[in-house]
Amino acid sequence: EVHLVESGGGLGQPGGSLRLSCAASGFTFSTYTMNWVRQAPGKGLEWVSTISRTNTIHYADSVRGRFTISRDNAKNSVYLQMNSLRDEDTAVYYCARDGANSGQHFDYWGQGTQVTVSS
Amino acid sequence: VVMTQSPLSLSVTLGQPASISCRSGQSLVFSDGNTYLNWFQQRPGQSPRRLIYRVSNRDSGVPDRFSGSGSGTDFTLKISRVEAEDVGVYYCMQGTYWITFGQGTRLEIK
Repeated sequence: EVHLVESGGGLGQPGGSLRLSCAASGFTFSTYTMNWVRQAPGKGLEWVSTISRTNTIHYADSVRGRFTISRDNAKNSVYLQMNSLRDEDTAVYYCARDGANSGQHFDYWGQGTQVTVSS
Repeated sequence: VVMTQSPLSLSVTLGQPASISCRSGQSLVFSDGNTYLNWFQQRPGQSPRRLIYRVSNRDSGVPDRFSGSGSGTDFTLKISRVEAEDVGVYYCMQGTYWITFGQGTRLEIK
């Protein structure tokens, strides 16, 4: 069974940094594209970043230059390094897997980790 | 690509049908001929769950009362007979031009 477990959320200061982790199990992690999606309080879903199995990376305009996605296939984990935090980065951050076939976005999701940016 | 859902909220009697529309600002047909339009359900307090991928393909474990249809720029999610467990917010998502979500449609029981 596929499991995605996020961690690393918490309180961050404006201009500060946080590092999120997502531990995956139940599938061959190295062969799947992984993503981060966030949801601000009371708001909808916003795609944040994607890293493919070949380490091709994409970012939403709202986080490009501030956030860095990476993966460690030996640890079955994907990470999101969040720098230069802003108030508007406050959200629940979900790790989500893409399915095996082309365009099969977000077939499994983690439970999310809360990030709050406040002084 | 902007995704526009309607209505933004829906109140439905148990056992009655429900329909949610999703329109994109441009055609979602990709160069490979596929249309990357998905539907997600988010129950209160839960993570999102994918229901439908590539317009009309139901994910494993999704009840057959859920169906997706449409083409080009206009898409629809239909629930044939609403049940209590269907309460939540429904999102469409396009994956043809990077990734964008609709605003969400809140479904409640009347």
